[in-house]
Amino acid sequence: QQQVKQSPQSLIVQKGGISIINCAYENTAFDYFPWYQQFPGKGPALLIAIRPDVSEKKEGRFTISFNKSAKQFSLHIMDSQPGDSATYFCAASIWRNTPLVFGKGTRLSVIA
Amino acid sequence: GAVVSQHPSWVICKSGTSVKIECRSLDFQATTMFWYRQFPKQSLMLMATSNEGSKATYEQGVEKDKFLINHASLTLSTLTVTSAHPEDSSFYICSASAGEGGYTFGSGTRLTVV
Repeated sequence: QQQVKQSPQSLIVQKGGISIINCAYENTAFDYFPWYQQFPGKGPALLIAIRPDVSEKKEGRFTISFNKSAKQFSLHIMDSQPGDSATYFCAASIWRNTPLVFGKGTRLSVIA
Repeated sequence: GAVVSQHPSWVICKSGTSVKIECRSLDFQATTMFWYRQFPKQSLMLMATSNEGSKATYEQGVEKDKFLINHASLTLSTLTVTSAHPEDSSFYICSASAGEGGYTFGSGTRLTVV
């Protein structure tokens, strides 16, 4: 049973556009929702994370929107750049010392 | 920020031999370490959770006798792939819970068994 569902599987965005990736979760005990960026051959790197007590968090060009009642959260990348081309994973966990559960990933390509 | 150093970054071994992967937390104490496996173009799949000083907890379907995990100190966890076979070729990644900093990941190890 997949606990975190991520869409779309792949995404092509024009340079300067907005990239939007969505995730839905099932386990209401989850209380930590991070997004990771991964380049080929590298480990995942934390982009931004949110706890369920807020509905939105912004860091630079990256914004997480969180809807607790719908059990959904999304990543918005503003002013997308070719350097943002990577695979993005959403994840969820019960905070601290429990493993992250990952979505299946979204391959983002930003074209000039 | 919290850093986990993972070595080696890549390794090629012959079928039937064993390979050890190390993960060290450089500037914090990692009470819990998680080990993931990632096949090409797929997501990270949790293999096991290890707590310092105790036996690792393996996910269903992961052979504990094949993937030996040792977490003998708060700064070092190792994964040994025993009697490796080509189907064990994958990208192995460790992760540690770093308190308020969330989770930090190693850079991964690309294992190729020939």
